[in-house]
Amino acid sequence: NAGVTQTPKFRVLKTGQSMTLLCAQDMNHEYMYWYRQDPGMGLRLIHYSVGEGTTAKGEVPDGYNVSRLKKQNFLLGLESAAPSQTSVYFCASTDAYEQYFGPGTRLTVT
Amino acid sequence: EDKVVQSPLSLVVHEGDTVTLNCSYEVTNFRSLLWYKQEKKAPTFLFMLTSSGIEKKSGRLSSILDKKELSSILNITATQTGDSAIYLCAAYNSGTYKYIFGTGTRLKVLA
Repeated sequence: NAGVTQTPKFRVLKTGQSMTLLCAQDMNHEYMYWYRQDPGMGLRLIHYSVGEGTTAKGEVPDGYNVSRLKKQNFLLGLESAAPSQTSVYFCASTDAYEQYFGPGTRLTVT
Repeated sequence: EDKVVQSPLSLVVHEGDTVTLNCSYEVTNFRSLLWYKQEKKAPTFLFMLTSSGIEKKSGRLSSILDKKELSSILNITATQTGDSAIYLCAAYNSGTYKYIFGTGTRLKVLA
């Protein structure tokens, strides 16, 4: 049982480059979330989805886009990376009770 | 606006001590409060507390939800160095489907 997986685990980007982070879950959960975690800031919600084909903004959505074309996958895109997007990104899924987290992606933008 | 506040921000104790971590919340459509432990990786689930389950215990860890005071505590007895971590609490808003996280309490247990 893989749970929630994220790819890649690490990435270094130059300012202005684009990339997509992939989150996959095998628990048939309806709800999926993307968070970023910075020192002293806790987990901040970027975007989330309450079902296939739906997405909604969280508290820090600027500079990010998402898509949920399949129930098991939730993609986070950075169109033009900025140094302020250097962070650790966590994906999570839930059945509206416990949230299950992926292992995280450490992104550095230089 | 929904809010979750944790205290203290950080704590240093010696092995064998008992610690109490606090979490207060102001969340509309509150359904549940969750506690997580985070070491150098993803948060791992500890407890979920709801209206029908306001007290949970697992080994040396226990947690209580006070619905009247809109708060929760996480107790760790006989602390060990392996308890050193950031402890996060989150409240679930069933109207927006969002989990609102506090900034965490960093616990360090000295041998």
